Amino acid sequence: AQSVTQLGSHVSVSEGALVLLRCNYSSSVPPYLFWYVQYPNQGLQLLLKYTSAATLVKGINGFEAEFKKSETSFHLTKPSAHMSDAAEYFCAVSSGSARQLTFGSGTQLTVLP
Amino acid sequence: ETGVTQTPRHLVMGMTNKKSLKCEQHLGHNAMYWYKQSAKKPLELMFVYNFKEQTENNSVPSRFSPECPNSSHLFLHLHTLQPEDSALYLCASSAIGSDEQFFGPGTRLTVL
Repeated sequence: AQSVTQLGSHVSVSEGALVLLRCNYSSSVPPYLFWYVQYPNQGLQLLLKYTSAATLVKGINGFEAEFKKSETSFHLTKPSAHMSDAAEYFCAVSSGSARQLTFGSGTQLTVLP
Repeated sequence: ETGVTQTPRHLVMGMTNKKSLKCEQHLGHNAMYWYKQSAKKPLELMFVYNFKEQTENNSVPSRFSPECPNSSHLFLHLHTLQPEDSALYLCASSAIGSDEQFFGPGTRLTVL
């Protein structure tokens, strides 16, 4: 069984500030981990993914995430928030032979001017 | 057209209506998915098709009926829906054996 918990359904940051979105996972086998972003009235777009290579993963739009097995975490960060980063962010885990994605409940990021 | 497209983008229907959602992918993938996205809830996987064969039905009520005539097209037939079925329905596709799914923009469904 696998699951994802995203801490904080809403996060607000000022423009230029650090963005930190938290994700913890549960998986009985080594997981693959993903962050997706959803802009208003759009589908989900892949930001980055961890597939057992480097533990620090760099994605699009300046985002990165670090896989920490000891903490079962895969938090998403960006050093400096931009207004265009305002969106909903979803963490997802895939594991096991079926390799289906299980999503967290999402974190709505607001960027304040 | 590129990527994954969905039509219609918005749909309002009564509980006695029959309607269909359409998804088309132009990525050469062989796996397709339907998800339901409700407010304040995680995405719920509804159906999975691999090479046109249904491989997953996540305890979805029979008022939702999927159809996959070929690897590029996926339909979701709707009949006698309930107001609680109002949600954003997302289609996705992936290459077989790949975890990376590509999503369409979704159909916003409202059931009156």
